[in-house]
Amino acid sequence: EVQLVESGGGLVKPGGSLRLSCDASGFTLSNYSMNWVRQAPGKGLEWVSSVDSTSTFIYYADSMKGRFIISRDNAKNSLSLHMTSLRAEDTAVYYCARDVDSFNFLFDLWGRGTLVTVSS
Amino acid sequence: SYVLIQSPSLSVAPGKTARITCGGDNVGRKSVHWYQQKPGQAPLLVIYYDTDRPSGIPERFSGSNSGNSATLIISRVGAGDEADYYCQVWDSSTDRVIFGGGTKLTVL
Repeated sequence: EVQLVESGGGLVKPGGSLRLSCDASGFTLSNYSMNWVRQAPGKGLEWVSSVDSTSTFIYYADSMKGRFIISRDNAKNSLSLHMTSLRAEDTAVYYCARDVDSFNFLFDLWGRGTLVTVSS
Repeated sequence: SYVLIQSPSLSVAPGKTARITCGGDNVGRKSVHWYQQKPGQAPLLVIYYDTDRPSGIPERFSGSNSGNSATLIISRVGAGDEADYYCQVWDSSTDRVIFGGGTKLTVL
C-alpha cells in the first residue's frame, strides 16, 4: 500500500526540540520531492518546508527558517523534520506530503499527521 | 508576500452547485490546486493545475482560474461533500507554498 506515516510528535516545553519522522512505503521516496505542512488546532493549513529528491534544494516558511531543518534519507525511504527553539505557536498537527514530481509543489499523498504540543 | 483569500464558510442545499472562490493578485497566472479536508482526516487533492481531476475524484468536481480569482465547483452537492476546502499555489517570486485560509462547506 502506498502510504506515509509520521511519528515523533508529543509534548515539549517552550524552547525545546523535537524530531519528526515520516516513513514512506509502497513507493520509492527518491523519485519525489517531499514536504511538511502543519495545521494548528482549529486553523488552516500552513506550509513548513520542502526538499527536492536529492536534498539539493530546500525551502522553508519564514517563521520556521533558522529553527527547523528538513532532511531525508532516501536509502531508508524516510523524511525528517528537526525542530528547535519551539514556541507555543508551533503547536500543530504536522503532515508530511509527497509532491507529484520534482518541485511541482502539488501534494498528491499525505500522511495522517503527528501532533506536536508546545507547552510548559 | 503573496496572499490567497477564501471566504470562511459556504452553505449549499443538497443537489445544488457549490462555488468556492480563491482570490489572489493575478492568480490566473499561477497554477492553483485544491484540497478537501474532512474532520480528523488528512487533506485530499481534488483539483490540480486549475482544472485537472485526480483519478478517483468524481466528475462533479471541477475548477477554473482567471484574472484574480480561482474557483472550485462542486455540482450536485451531497452530505459527503461537507468539508474544509483549501486552495494552494507556488509563489515563485518568494519560493513559498501558499495556502488559502480555507472554506468550510456546509450542506444544508
